[in-house]
Amino acid sequence: AQKITQTQPGMFVQEKEAVTLDCTYDTSDPSYGLFWYKQPSSGEMIFLIYQGSYDQQNATEGRYSLNFQKARKSANLVISASQLGDSAMYFCAMREGQGGSEKLVFGKGTKLTVNP
Amino acid sequence: EPEVTQTPSHQVTQMGQEVILRCVPISNHLYFYWYRQILGQKVEFLVSFYNNEISEKSEIFDDQFSVERPDGSNFTLKIRSTKLEDSAMYFCASSTGRISGNTIYFGEGSWLTVV
Repeated sequence: AQKITQTQPGMFVQEKEAVTLDCTYDTSDPSYGLFWYKQPSSGEMIFLIYQGSYDQQNATEGRYSLNFQKARKSANLVISASQLGDSAMYFCAMREGQGGSEKLVFGKGTKLTVNP
Repeated sequence: EPEVTQTPSHQVTQMGQEVILRCVPISNHLYFYWYRQILGQKVEFLVSFYNNEISEKSEIFDDQFSVERPDGSNFTLKIRSTKLEDSAMYFCASSTGRISGNTIYFGEGSWLTVV
């Protein structure tokens, strides 16, 4: 079974509008972390935002916020006031456990295109 | 801002040749990783390294692969005899800790093309 599911292969948004990128996850571990990374066409992986499973509030980092719905096992990324430079692949990833597996498990990604 | 640096950014190699990809993790980080991304696919975990030994590896990380921290700053991935299917972007990453809340920071990647 997929641990991280990103159902939107591609998304389009107008510049200055907000966009939500979906991510659902599957784990039975009560302790986990959820991450979003941005991958521009140049290839690097840029950390955007982190949400811990025990965090009471949704994470925010500038124009990025994470809509964390624990009961639904979703961790959607919201980008407000989109900019042309936001056009990139976006990956949701999960890391499980306190000292268990260390690895990040990634989703397949969503390609975001911001239109002028 | 501290960052993970990788060299080379792009390497083309003949099938069967050995390749070494190099990484300098963030200086106060203790956990080091290699991930790979085949073109158009998702990022996959290869190996994690802590205290001078492998702490976890995936089934992709077979005997053709090895990692080393030869000195206090570099972290290398060696592919002994490259195959066409090893063509991918290889990411080095590092982290301060191994619990779920420790962010993993990635380098810019080394694009390996095997011909």
